[in-house]
Amino acid sequence: DAKTTQPTSMDCAEGRAANLPCNHSTISGNEYVYWYRQIHSQGPQYIIHGLKNNETNEMASLIITEDRKSSTLILPHATLRDTAVYYCIVRVGTNAGKSTFGDGTTLTVKP
Amino acid sequence: NAGVTQTPKFQVLKTGQSMTLQCAQDMNHEYMSWYRQDPGMGLRLIHYSVGAGITDQGEVPNGYNVSRSTTEDFPLRLLSAAPSQTSVYFCASRPGQGMGNQPQHFGDGTRLSIL
Repeated sequence: DAKTTQPTSMDCAEGRAANLPCNHSTISGNEYVYWYRQIHSQGPQYIIHGLKNNETNEMASLIITEDRKSSTLILPHATLRDTAVYYCIVRVGTNAGKSTFGDGTTLTVKP
Repeated sequence: NAGVTQTPKFQVLKTGQSMTLQCAQDMNHEYMSWYRQDPGMGLRLIHYSVGAGITDQGEVPNGYNVSRSTTEDFPLRLLSAAPSQTSVYFCASRPGQGMGNQPQHFGDGTRLSIL
């Protein structure tokens, strides 16, 4: 599975969009990009995933560059409850693909 | 629908003791895995299973055993607990059978302290 690189920490003002980058320059053609978040010490929560097209759901948007070497998770209107550690993971989308988590980005949403 | 259930939620052990962390899922997921998370760090994969009877090692398997006799259950065994195994343990599951791109579902974790 490809490795990912994320900034250690980011701040965002409440109500503004939070844009969290992830670099995955060694991604393979059959690897998906997944985003999870972890609030306090709870179990990670799935946010969104994609292969090569941009994706949007009720929580966030995922923008994947055309060369697929990087992606951005967008929380359109960040709230204080979005303060969490955000993990970007890349893995093969088959039964055998295992997920390796890095240290993630600590997002702090400030009033 | 309970999702992924981990028991116990908290446990304190003495060095050298053994214990089994339980993980059960009711979503008929083929793929299950165990992670540990040390303070201030990300999750590290211990062991995983792609189906009943099939297990494999992750990044940090030493000191842990697993087995998968049923689709629903994936217990993690510590044979002789060491202080270095003090951590929060998370179990996760996801579908297989052509749905391998689906995300993982995580349990709430077991907080384990080894004295």
